[in-house]
Order: sequence, then structure tokens, then C-alpha cells
Amino acid sequence: QKEVEQNSGPLSVPEGAIASLNCTYSDRVSQSFFWYRQYSGKSPELIMSIYSNGDKEDGRFTAQLNKASQYVSLLIRDSQPSDSATYLCAVILGNDMRFGAGTRLTVKP
Amino acid sequence: NAGVTQTPKFQVLKTGQSMTLQCAQDMNHNSMYWYRQDPGMGLRLIYYSASEGTTDKGEVPNGYNVSRLNKREFSLRLESAAPSQTSVYFCASSEAGRYGYTFGSGTRLTVV
Repeated sequence: QKEVEQNSGPLSVPEGAIASLNCTYSDRVSQSFFWYRQYSGKSPELIMSIYSNGDKEDGRFTAQLNKASQYVSLLIRDSQPSDSATYLCAVILGNDMRFGAGTRLTVKP
Repeated sequence: NAGVTQTPKFQVLKTGQSMTLQCAQDMNHNSMYWYRQDPGMGLRLIYYSASEGTTDKGEVPNGYNVSRLNKREFSLRLESAAPSQTSVYFCASSEAGRYGYTFGSGTRLTVV
């Protein structure tokens, strides 16, 4: 089993819809979880961090964490074409961060 | 602007050549990292430095060496490049291991 798993997509949603991105991780002791956005040809950019069970909201983004199920998700409300990118889930394991392979999101006008 | 600076942005090497990728951060971060990104594989950790004076291997260290020159700079060296090292390389830094990372703009390396 991979340490961090994501559906590779592509995920396609219409403009204005809610995009839901999911991630599971294998290490029960992990305490820090992140979502990064990566535009094609660019570097990853941190958009959300979450450390406790429950929801964390920042503008149109909501991160959800369920440690018992080893599951973390990202919701993007009112999706815009500018949200089209690859979203990387990341988990701190020991002294470093491990990344999922990413989910490619396309928001269609 | 503050952040992580990587050089060069692009490089083509012949098999067997050596080169050093440079990385510098001006955010006074303790920890620095080198990742490679390949299609379908995601980001994989090559080496990291939790603090000045220390370095440790990550998932895929074979064929690479690193130097933490000072708190700001962390370089990655390929001693004898191989086609399997064709990839995009990202340097990143963080205040401490549990916080999010700031990434540099990347180096696109092709080994022919």
C-alpha cells in the first residue's frame, strides 16, 4: 500500500460546482496534513494545512480530516476555471513529507 | 521577493556528466529538502536537512549527494548522470518539519 493515495483523475466539474478531492494515508501516527495546488509546469503551492479532526475553512476551500479513517479531503466551493490544476495531498511521516501522486482537476466554464 | 531560489531552471546533460543544483532560501527556515517529480510518481524525497550541519537520505537517494553549505543553502550533486535521473527537481524549505513547505520554481533536467 502506498503511504499516501489519491485518485489520479482527471476530475471534471462545471464552473460554480463543488469539487471534492480525496486522500487516504497509511500511517496512523501522522499528525500533519496538507493540500498543495500545482499548475502545469509550475511548482507546488501550499493552500491548506490541517492538524485536528474535523473541518478547516479558508475562503472557498475546506479541508476535512478523519484520523480514525485515515482520510483527508479538500472541498472547493464555487469552482472557477482558475482552479484547474493538480492537487497534491501530503502527510508528514517522521522527519519529512510524503506526497500523493495528485488529482488533476478541470473546471469547465 | 522572499522565497526559495533554484538554479539552473533547465539543464541538458550527457550520460556520465556531473552537475550541482543550487538552492537558497531567505526565510530563515531550519529545514530544507530535495524532491524529484516524475509523471505518475508524484514527488519523491531525495535528501533532506533538518537543520544546518545535518543531512539524511530520503526515499530515492541513490546517485545523488547533498551539501548543507549554511542555513540558507542546500545543494544537490549528480556525480555521474544517468538517463533515469531525467526529472524535474524541486527544492523546498520549512520552519520545522511539521509545517508546510515552500517550494522553489524547479529545475528541469534531461540526461541524454
